[in-house]
Amino acid sequence: AQSVTQLGSHVSVSEGALVLLRCNYSSSVPPYLFWYVQYPNQGLQLLLKYTSAATLVKGINGFEAEFKKSETSFHLTKPSAHMSDAAEYFCAVRSNSGYALNFGKGTSLLVTP
Amino acid sequence: NAGVTQTPKFQVLKTGQSMTLQCAQDMNHEYMSWYRQDPGMGLRLIHYSVGAGITDQGEVPNGYNVSRSTTEDFPLRLLSAAPSQTSVYFCASSRTSGAVLATQYFGPGTRLTVL
Repeated sequence: AQSVTQLGSHVSVSEGALVLLRCNYSSSVPPYLFWYVQYPNQGLQLLLKYTSAATLVKGINGFEAEFKKSETSFHLTKPSAHMSDAAEYFCAVRSNSGYALNFGKGTSLLVTP
Repeated sequence: NAGVTQTPKFQVLKTGQSMTLQCAQDMNHEYMSWYRQDPGMGLRLIHYSVGAGITDQGEVPNGYNVSRSTTEDFPLRLLSAAPSQTSVYFCASSRTSGAVLATQYFGPGTRLTVL
């Protein structure tokens, strides 16, 4: 079964610092991978997705992620954190039983002044 | 387009009560699904549908029923609510083909408390 593991349930960075949120996947077939963001009391919003077209994927709000097959990773990065980036971030992989997504447990990003 | 809409936003039930969470989408998406979100657990799939008249179980289906009589609507029914069903419920939809394959669009959620 397809699954993802997010390393670190809480990450804290200073404003202006690099953001790195880690996600490793397990998949028996080439995966479709996603990063979603959830702001407080809101639904999930797609940040970016990997569908095998390019290994470096650029998303909204300055985020990007790189698919590394050798490391089974799909880490999310942003060069300079803003206060508005504080949110919960979810990595997900499309399940092989259909169109459902298997989510990681989430990483809460705190940005400090 | 309104996207994916969910009602109600908040609901408090007593143990044993029943209710239906509503979900609608206006994007003509074939695929719709329900997730529940619990602290430290991420989102877990309850039920899904790949088209009108077709539904199937996800990871945590017990205690929930669904039906899909139209493309637009996918209600989730709790027949006899239990405290373990206290959660935030999200509905999502997506196309099942084309360039946007598997990009799921989420509703704003329903926060349910069962006393």
